[in-house]
Formats: sequence, C-alpha cells, structure tokens
Amino acid sequence: NAGVTQTPKFRVLKTGQSMTLLCAQDMNHEYMYWYRQDPGMGLRLIHYSVGEGTTAKGEVPDGYNVSRLKKQNFLLGLESAAPSQTSVYFCASSYSAGPITDTQYFGPGTRLTVL
Amino acid sequence: AQSVAQPEDQVNVAEGNPLTVKCTYSVSGNPYLFWYVQYPNRGLQFLLKYITGDNLVKGSYGFEAEFNKSQTSFHLKKPSALVSDSALYFCAVRDGNAGNMLTFGGGTRLMVKP
Repeated sequence: NAGVTQTPKFRVLKTGQSMTLLCAQDMNHEYMYWYRQDPGMGLRLIHYSVGEGTTAKGEVPDGYNVSRLKKQNFLLGLESAAPSQTSVYFCASSYSAGPITDTQYFGPGTRLTVL
Repeated sequence: AQSVAQPEDQVNVAEGNPLTVKCTYSVSGNPYLFWYVQYPNRGLQFLLKYITGDNLVKGSYGFEAEFNKSQTSFHLKKPSALVSDSALYFCAVRDGNAGNMLTFGGGTRLMVKP
C-alpha cells in the first residue's frame, strides 16, 4: 500500500496563476482533508470531504476550491494564487469519524511558493 | 470552540534522559487527543491517541502520554530519549461531540543531543 500520496512535491507559481494539487489514497478511506502548515501555526484545515461527491469548508477555505469526484482522490485548486498562499500543503485521510477509526493518515506534503 | 496549546517551541534533552513535551487543550465536549510526529521534509506520522479509559496511553517508538482531565493536559513522555527522536511534535484535539475536525497545536521541536 502506498498510503496517501501527493502530487506534485514542489511547485513555484507567479501571483495570479492557477494550479491543482492532487491527493490519492489507497486505504478505502471515506474522509479526506487538506491542511496548510505555516511556521509556528501548526496545521490548519482548508477543506474536507466526508465521502465521494461531498466537500465542506474548514478553518481557512478562502482562495481554495476542492473536488472529490472519486473516493480515492481529493483535489485542491488555487484559481488565482497569492503570496499569502505560500505554504506546505498536506493531505490526510481517515476511515470514518468514529472514535476508533478517526485516526488521520498524512501524505508527504507539497511545498508551494507563490512569487 | 476547541483549541490546543503547546507552550514550548523547543525542548532540549540529552540522550538517555526522560523527555516530556507539554500539551493543554480546551473542548466543550469529550476530548479525543492525538500526538503526531513530523520528521524533516516528511508528512505527519501518528504516534498515539486517547479516546477514553486508562489515562496512560502507550504508542509507537516507546512514547506514551498521560491524560489529565482536571488539568486539561495530555503531555507526551518517553523514559529514555534517543537522538533519532529529534523531530517536530504536534498535539491535536477533536471534540467527540462535534464532528471530525482536528485542531492542532503550533508544534514543539524536540532536540535530543548525544
């Protein structure tokens, strides 16, 4: 099992450009999440999905969109990148929201720089 | 609202000594508490979690954490630190009565010196 994978690993964008980050998991998890990590701020939830075809806003959703067309994939889009979106982005997945099965498993991250 | 505080940005400890990384939390319902570790240029790895029951939770790599309801704390501990334990540690909390959103602390960098 590959677990949670993220594509690409690194990316540099100019202000105003768009891009899509891909997250894939092979654990048949229902829940998927996108976080951003900034120094000293821990991880903050951008958007999440509780199943195929569903998405919901997290703590910091502005400037991002997501889609979950297939259960195993969760896409994060930036329509018009801004320097404030320079960050490391992590995808995670969990089997469900129950207390036994809610442990989140993380991908290796995507380092995004917006100039 | 739920929140987590990790009061120390960095903890330094000598190899072989015990280590403690502190975490306090605030939730309105029942807390589910987690510790994750992040090695350089890697994603977060799950270490352990508390749901209910025994206040001392044992996890991966010899780590354990003690849940203290009265002090709203969930400190991470290890009896004997290794240089390879040097990493960034995150505490996280979920309100058991309010969905599946995890709130993370700001992280504590653990430095274990030989």
